[in-house]
Parts: sequence; C-alpha cells; structure tokens
Amino acid sequence: DIQMTQSPASLSASLGETVTIECRASEDIYNGLAWYQQKPGKSPQLLIYNANSLHTGVPSRFSGSGSGTQYSLKINSLQSEDVASYFCQQYYDYPTFGGGTKLELK
Amino acid sequence: EVQILETGGGLVKPGGSLRLSCATSGFNFNDYFMNWVRQAPGKGLEWVAQIRNKNYNYATYYAESLEGRVTISRDDSKSSVYLQVSSLRAEDTAIYYCTRSGSSYIYFDYWGQGVMVTVSS
Repeated sequence: DIQMTQSPASLSASLGETVTIECRASEDIYNGLAWYQQKPGKSPQLLIYNANSLHTGVPSRFSGSGSGTQYSLKINSLQSEDVASYFCQQYYDYPTFGGGTKLELK
Repeated sequence: EVQILETGGGLVKPGGSLRLSCATSGFNFNDYFMNWVRQAPGKGLEWVAQIRNKNYNYATYYAESLEGRVTISRDDSKSSVYLQVSSLRAEDTAIYYCTRSGSSYIYFDYWGQGVMVTVSS
C-alpha cells in the first residue's frame, strides 16, 4: 500500500490568513491525489482532484499543487466556514488517505 | 442532483454480520463505479471496497485488511449498491460511507451521509 503522511495534524489560524496543508506519499503517485473537507458531523466533500483541479462549486480560495511524492492544499483568505478537517487521498494505487488535518480558528 | 443514501447500520454483536444498502439517484448509475469508505470514531478514512460497472464486468476490489469478510454488490436496476460484512469485530465500529467514483478516476466525487455500525456485546 502507498502510505500518505499528512501534516500538520492540527492547525490554528486567524480569519483572512493563508493556510497550507502538506501531504507526502511513500512513492510517486503521478498527481493522483485528491483533497477532501469534512465539517464536524458531516461526510467528507471533494475539494481538489488530480492534485490541482478544483471540484465543481468549490471556492477559488482553495488550491492544490505538487508533484511526485509531495503535495499541498492552500486556503487563501481563511473564512469561518473553512473550519473543518482536511484529508488527502492518493488514487494512483488502491486508495489510501492521509491521517487528516484539523483546522481551527485562532 | 446527485443523492446517495445509506441504510442498514446498527448495533451488532462480535462475530455477527450486517448488510448495508446504498440507494442513489440523480445520475446515470450504470456509468459509475461505487465504493464503501469507513471512518472509525474520531479517526481517519479507510477505503473498504469498490465495484466497477458493467463495462468492467462488475469487477470487485477490497482493502486487504477486510478481504474475506466483506462482499460488495450492486443492482443497476435499482441504482443501488450493497456491502455485506461478516465476522464483525470491535474494530469494525465505524461510520460507513457509500461513495461514487468514475471509470477514469478513483477519487470520490460524491458521498452519502454515512451509516453507523457499532460492534459490541
């Protein structure tokens, strides 16, 4: 299995701040990476696929980048509704997820 | 609008079995692969199983950690997918989500609200 290591595990940021979450794969996943947002008590929702493509309806303040084994999710101008947990997932091989990042407001 | 609704969760004794159902609407079910993903309380996400569509001969794939104890199936006439889990253990306690993915991608673009399965005596 491809292991996904996500960092940080938790993050506290202020409204309007820019936030970056990292995900590292145990081997090259050739941009087969998705990011999900999960709000408390809700199911995950797709944000980004193919490492940098925005899913339908996702605000443009979310962006993804990276290649090879290193990927990141950036949230520009943090809004209160962005408080959530974020997960990366590789799909180059059988799907595996990162451990998640819990984002809170400072 | 894509809709995915899971049912069939509940409290099960260790060693027992459970069949989860997932009804869908709002898209051409026949065109898509369907999956189950689970999340233990307060934990991360784990892909459980996938069933492909008719074009791919309804091929099935399972997470190694569950292989032999789970069976995924689908009924295209009902736009529904099912997960049979047997020999349940406490560590199978989780929310089970039904998710959609495509033939050219294995990320999960739509998720159901999830169904809770609790394994306890």
